[in-house]
Amino acid sequence: EPEVTQTPSHQVTQMGQEVILRCVPISNHLYFYWYRQILGQKVEFLVSFYNNEISEKSEIFDDQFSVERPDGSNFTLKIRSTKLEDSAMYFCASSEGLAGDEQYFGPGTRLTVT
Amino acid sequence: LAKTTQPISMDSYEGQEVNITCSHNNIATNDYITWYQQFPSQGPRFIIQGYKTKVTNEVASLFIPADRKSSTLSLPRVSLSDTAVYYCLVGDNTGGFKTIFGAGTRLFVKA
Repeated sequence: EPEVTQTPSHQVTQMGQEVILRCVPISNHLYFYWYRQILGQKVEFLVSFYNNEISEKSEIFDDQFSVERPDGSNFTLKIRSTKLEDSAMYFCASSEGLAGDEQYFGPGTRLTVT
Repeated sequence: LAKTTQPISMDSYEGQEVNITCSHNNIATNDYITWYQQFPSQGPRFIIQGYKTKVTNEVASLFIPADRKSSTLSLPRVSLSDTAVYYCLVGDNTGGFKTIFGAGTRLFVKA
């Protein structure tokens, strides 16, 4: 069964550093998403992406965040200057067609900011 | 987006049927109801989606009354491995869908 993959599985960085989290969505999917989950809390929507542009974004997704689909397979989330409160699990997801379709989530990247 | 309300937690025993109800009083005409399951340190996993009446798949059933202001996820004969957080989501299928997860229901299945 096709799956969403994410790298790295765990990233440790110092406050103020830039990080790039990488995702490979399922190949025939058209919608892509990033979520984060702070330990013990709920899953929070960050951004959705379709047709090479942001479709929706949340209040969390401020100027420190950006997304890109640099080639036909990767989907990246960049955090320009990490803060301690950015420490969380970051999940990438993709869906086949219309937004609202079943989303397939990756295993997540645990980001630790020290 | 319609707000959803679910119980914070539920306990059950192996072999029992579990029903988790979600309230969504402000559901819109175009909204679908979707349930996800999440195990610790894993991403959510789609369980089932429906619009009205009843939907059944190999994992669960989803019951939606005529007014669609609530829905019930039914898990038949749960096992220990069904211990997880279950999320009810409501939204439409138009472009630009913004997926909002609530706090979910923590289900504990005991032996």
